[in-house]
Amino acid sequence: QSVLTQPPSASGTPGQRVTISCSGSSSNIGSNYVYWYQQLPGTAPKILIHTNDQRPSGVPDRFSASKSGTSASLAISGLRSEDEADYYCAVWDDSLSGPVFGGGTKLTVL
Amino acid sequence: EVRLVQSGAEVKKPGATVKISCQVSGYPFIDYHMFWMQQAPGKGLQWVGLIDPADGETSYAERFQGRVSIIADRSTQTVYMEMSRLTSEDTAVYFCARGIDLRNSEFDPWGQGTLVTVSS
Repeated sequence: QSVLTQPPSASGTPGQRVTISCSGSSSNIGSNYVYWYQQLPGTAPKILIHTNDQRPSGVPDRFSASKSGTSASLAISGLRSEDEADYYCAVWDDSLSGPVFGGGTKLTVL
Repeated sequence: EVRLVQSGAEVKKPGATVKISCQVSGYPFIDYHMFWMQQAPGKGLQWVGLIDPADGETSYAERFQGRVSIIADRSTQTVYMEMSRLTSEDTAVYFCARGIDLRNSEFDPWGQGTLVTVSS
């Protein structure tokens, strides 16, 4: 059971907007930056969002994120087939003194 | 280019020990912490432990404490993770990942992953 809670699945059709939620607590999301990772099938995770809502260079602006209190969310607009992947939220947990991850959300583009 | 290259897949019997490596290039080895993550088949990511290559200081997730050891070899710019008393529950892909900042969860890049299979 993951410390951070994500929906196990999400889906949308090409061009649609989907959001993925990530719920935590005061010892993690409530007090530290949230990060999002994209894991394409059979590959290693790749950073998608850093410091709550910042996109690394090379990440399309179709990807956006936000944080409020002990929850965070990732939004993907203009959905494309290549967005089909697993998405993970991650944050440092002060109680555990280490990073914690959400259980992952499998995004399907219908 | 920053690269993390991990050693190949391993097959071990229950009770055995496995040691996998992560060789880095493209940045000063001692400037960043290295993290290890576990991903069981069809499951999510879990933190295993971390090391500061500058002084060898380590920290481990509670569930792996006492069974995992992470070391850094500055001469070869390689980080090793050793896990002992393996059970079928340790069957997973293990990733090394460079930590950008210790008390954050920004990992970039990641190694390609090493599959460890524990089977009798």
